[in-house]
Amino acid sequence: DGGITQSPKYLFRKEGQNVTLSCEQNLNHDAMYWYRQDPGQGLRLIYYSQIVNDFQKGDIAEGYSVSREKKESFPLTVTSAQKNPPAFYLCASSLGWGQGNNEQFFGPGTRLTVL
Amino acid sequence: ELKVEQNPLFLSMQEGKNYTIYCNYSTTSDRLYWYRQDPGKSLESLFVLLSNGAVKQEGRLMASLDTKARLSTLHITAAVHDLSATYFCAVDGTSGSRLTFGEGTQLTVNP
Repeated sequence: DGGITQSPKYLFRKEGQNVTLSCEQNLNHDAMYWYRQDPGQGLRLIYYSQIVNDFQKGDIAEGYSVSREKKESFPLTVTSAQKNPPAFYLCASSLGWGQGNNEQFFGPGTRLTVL
Repeated sequence: ELKVEQNPLFLSMQEGKNYTIYCNYSTTSDRLYWYRQDPGKSLESLFVLLSNGAVKQEGRLMASLDTKARLSTLHITAAVHDLSATYFCAVDGTSGSRLTFGEGTQLTVNP
């Protein structure tokens, strides 16, 4: 089955620790995205990548880093996690720019709680 | 900068009633997407609208796009409780492949 997987589903870390969230897709999509959703809020774009070995900052990139060494994978690292209400991290992918359809497909999400 | 506004942000309606959610956007685009999110879950794609006048229907939901008015509507017909969810619209802007999302409309359908 084609799709996007994120792991783990729930993640707990102590304040100040780094944590890496995994995102893998087997849809052969060029573009991948990371969003953060706080309780009761909309989606905010953290980083996105339109092609392997390239990525751009989104609207809330500070405190995060990414890599895109393989087409299938786009891990997100939260550097020095801060204590906040649990946030929901969503990974998505799409065919890519210039394909005429930028419908994004979302993974199941990772809920991060910083203690 | 592309801005996307949805209204209403909160909608409580009775089963069997009809209602419309509006999605307005600020700059030219002819591609718009609707998503559904259930509580605690990820986003699920509902409709892809890729041209002016596009209309898509699935069950009790119908989405349309008017690119000249920069407006999309999501119409709910004879609502049922299972439609309770948050609905997001997203617009394809000019900045690469990224989408700009609206704030979401939280729909509650009461028996």
